[in-house]
Amino acid sequence: LAKTTQPISMDSYEGQEVNITCSHNNIATNDYITWYQQFPSQGPRFIIQGYKTKVTNEVASLFIPADRKSSTLSLPRVSLSDTAVYYCLVGDGLADSNYQLIWGAGTKLIIKP
Amino acid sequence: ETGVTQTPRHLVMGMTNKKSLKCEQHLGHNAMYWYKQSAKKPLELMFVYSLEERVENNSVPSRFSPECPNSSHLFLHLHTLQPEDSALYLCASSQDTGRDTEAFFGQGTRLTVV
Repeated sequence: LAKTTQPISMDSYEGQEVNITCSHNNIATNDYITWYQQFPSQGPRFIIQGYKTKVTNEVASLFIPADRKSSTLSLPRVSLSDTAVYYCLVGDGLADSNYQLIWGAGTKLIIKP
Repeated sequence: ETGVTQTPRHLVMGMTNKKSLKCEQHLGHNAMYWYKQSAKKPLELMFVYSLEERVENNSVPSRFSPECPNSSHLFLHLHTLQPEDSALYLCASSQDTGRDTEAFFGQGTRLTVV
């Protein structure tokens, strides 16, 4: 099974840039890398998705090296409201199913004043 | 507001009760999902519906029974649950069942089985 590895938790301060790195050694050739954000007692929310190199939207940037065995979510100038759990997702490269995204434990990001 | 609404937000039920969770999506999506999120565990996919047909059942006990009467509504019928079934139950929808398709989640139902 494809598997992602992320730090369990991270701390940072308001106004800082935060980078969360995810390892996915068994990613399939045609899989995208997707990041979701989850606040307490709410459902996850899509942040960003990419296949290779760099993707940027109004919320974050996603950096993917050429070998695609890892990816880094970058949150610029974080605020207290960015405190949440961040999930890195890739498909299960061995499964026939189209919807077997593998959810890991995520990274609990705590932003301090 | 994600366009996916779940009711109720909180539910406490006894082990002999029968209850139902409801999910409604206003996004015109073709796929709907039930997930279970237990404390300190990753999200677990329970059921997948595509165009009202169940296409995935991830070895979920029969005390959980899904129903999808149309593409906008999804139910999860609960009966004779166990305390270990206490969790946050999340509904999601997406345009299709492609694993790279963005999923939109509801706020969840916090279920406590006593």
